[in-house]
Amino acid sequence: NAGVTQTPKFQVLKTGQSMTLQCAQDMNHEYMSWYRQDPGMGLRLIHYSVGAGITDQGEVPNGYNVSRSTTEDFPLRLLSAAPSQTSVYFCASSYGGQGWTDEQFFGPGTRLTVL
Amino acid sequence: RKEVEQDPGPFNVPEGATVAFNCTYSNSASQSFFWYRQDCRKEPKLLMSVYSSGNEDGRFTAQLNRASQYISLLIRDSKLSDSATYLCVVVSSARQLTFGSGTQLTVLP
Repeated sequence: NAGVTQTPKFQVLKTGQSMTLQCAQDMNHEYMSWYRQDPGMGLRLIHYSVGAGITDQGEVPNGYNVSRSTTEDFPLRLLSAAPSQTSVYFCASSYGGQGWTDEQFFGPGTRLTVL
Repeated sequence: RKEVEQDPGPFNVPEGATVAFNCTYSNSASQSFFWYRQDCRKEPKLLMSVYSSGNEDGRFTAQLNRASQYISLLIRDSKLSDSATYLCVVVSSARQLTFGSGTQLTVLP
């Protein structure tokens, strides 16, 4: 099992560029989510999904889109990058449709800098 | 007021010491509680769940006080390898996890 994988590990964007952060898991987990982590702020939930075809917004969804066409993949799209989106992004997954109560397995993170 | 608050520390303690962290939460309808550990520049990993009756895992003890709306983590006989940031996590009825900003612990030789 590879667990939760994220690509790329590092990315530098210019303001206004768009890109997709990839997240995949091979544990057949139903629940997947995206967080951003900023110094002194903890992890903040961006979007989450309770299963293929179902997504919902978290605490800080503006400027990001997600889709969940398969159980395994949950990409995060930055529509028009802004310096305020400079952060470390973590993808997480957990077992079951009520996975928000279960152990979260995190990917290694993507460190994004927007200039 | 933040939904989940932690003392950011840093806590610097000698090896062998006992150290305790608290975490307060504002939503009385919160359902589940966890402690995660995060090493520098790494992803968070589950340390332990927090049950109403309290629970212990080796040198680690977690407690929940619903009346006062806080959870605690006690580490006994600290090891150098315990140095990390400890994140408390609260799950609301809205199916969302809210993380505290973390408490940094350094165990000194």
